[in-house]
Amino acid sequence: DQQVKQNSPSLSVQEGRISILNCDYTNSMFDYFLWYKKYPAEGPTFLISISSIKDKNEDGRFTVFLNKSAKHLSLHIVPSQPGDSAVYFCAAASGGSNYKLTFGKGTLLTVNP
Amino acid sequence: EPEVTQTPSHQVTQMGQEVILRCVPISNHLYFYWYRQILGQKVEFLVSFYNNEISEKSEIFDDQFSVERPDGSNFTLKIRSTKLEDSAMYFCASSDPGRYGYTFGSGTRLTVV
Repeated sequence: DQQVKQNSPSLSVQEGRISILNCDYTNSMFDYFLWYKKYPAEGPTFLISISSIKDKNEDGRFTVFLNKSAKHLSLHIVPSQPGDSAVYFCAAASGGSNYKLTFGKGTLLTVNP
Repeated sequence: EPEVTQTPSHQVTQMGQEVILRCVPISNHLYFYWYRQILGQKVEFLVSFYNNEISEKSEIFDDQFSVERPDGSNFTLKIRSTKLEDSAMYFCASSDPGRYGYTFGSGTRLTVV
């Protein structure tokens, strides 16, 4: 039961260009969405989040867009840097809390110098 | 930067043995979690813990699993009789109710042989 789907297992981007990572969800009860970054041999690191009352949240090079009608969110990284190379997980929560996160399978981003 | 610390980083155990995975959450956090990631699969929620009791658990968290906060700093996950399919990375996380996004530990790789 994939309530949170990241359909691209990998993405390769040139340094300086934009990286766009996509995520779809099926559970309409989700009202909070988060992106995590994970390097090998480390735990996931919180990156950016967005509440369902917004459609965009920006933090430096990272912007998350939420399209509720399409049940779709995306993470934009611009400009992409080699250090951004990691697995990116989309996660969702419901009930106004983050007691329980439902994760997607992740997308491996490779930023080439 | 405060960290969530997990020990050991890697544990190998024989099928049927009991294992205890240990975590030291961030000291002022009040919510604690265990997640796991089977190789090649998504990060899955196991259990959340607040105010010295389980607040939510997944279907994975059956009677073989238990969690405990034996003192003011440690948070443990016990698997009573390990099975081959319990082999995974186990991540502990903690969160501050006033902020979104967990802080994850680096994980314990459990290998059941």
